Amino acid sequence: GAVVSQHPSRVICKSGTSVKIECRSLDFQATTMFWYRQFPKQSLMLMATSNEGSKATYEQGVEKDKFLINHASLTLSTLTVTSAHPEDSSFYICSAHRGQGDTGELFFGEGSRLTVL
Amino acid sequence: SQQGEEDPQALSIQEGENATMNCSYKTSINNLQWYRQNSGRGLVHLILIRSNEREKHSGRLRVTLDTSKKSSSLLITASRAADTASYFCATARVQAGTALIFGKGTTLSVSS
Repeated sequence: GAVVSQHPSRVICKSGTSVKIECRSLDFQATTMFWYRQFPKQSLMLMATSNEGSKATYEQGVEKDKFLINHASLTLSTLTVTSAHPEDSSFYICSAHRGQGDTGELFFGEGSRLTVL
Repeated sequence: SQQGEEDPQALSIQEGENATMNCSYKTSINNLQWYRQNSGRGLVHLILIRSNEREKHSGRLRVTLDTSKKSSSLLITASRAADTASYFCATARVQAGTALIFGKGTTLSVSS
């Protein structure tokens, strides 16, 4: 089956530094990927839609300059948390859409846990 | 923004019992999906039910959908300790991109 890989799975960084998280579709091309954020004991909140070759679409309340998304190829989207602060500590999950429209399938990565000290 | 609400937020049962979780959503949908998440892990897709379906089965899982009430239920029969996890319903937005919007989830704890 299709696999979506995230890297790193865990990262610890100091306040003020930037952290990049990668999301790769391993055996299919994904023109659209999605980034979610999950706080402890809460649900997944959609942050943005990553579109290959164009700018990401951010959800209301998500700072685009804080969370930089780049979808440079059909198999890779990256999320960069810039100038990270402790409140950015969270579980970040990506998903990749294979296929077209509502008939396509959505596959999720294993998540990346960010801890900002 | 979140689409739906799960009910209950937390559920504790004994092995062998059935677990029922409910989900309500707000907008029109093409399908509704249920996912499972073990603590600190990614999501596992459990089942998808289309808007023209009323009930669907997969192993010990039974999902119902009532589009008139904008609600769905997930029943896990003969639960096992390994079923302990969080369960989320999710619906796809009508807009382009088909992002899934998740409900708040139900945390299920099955004790042996």
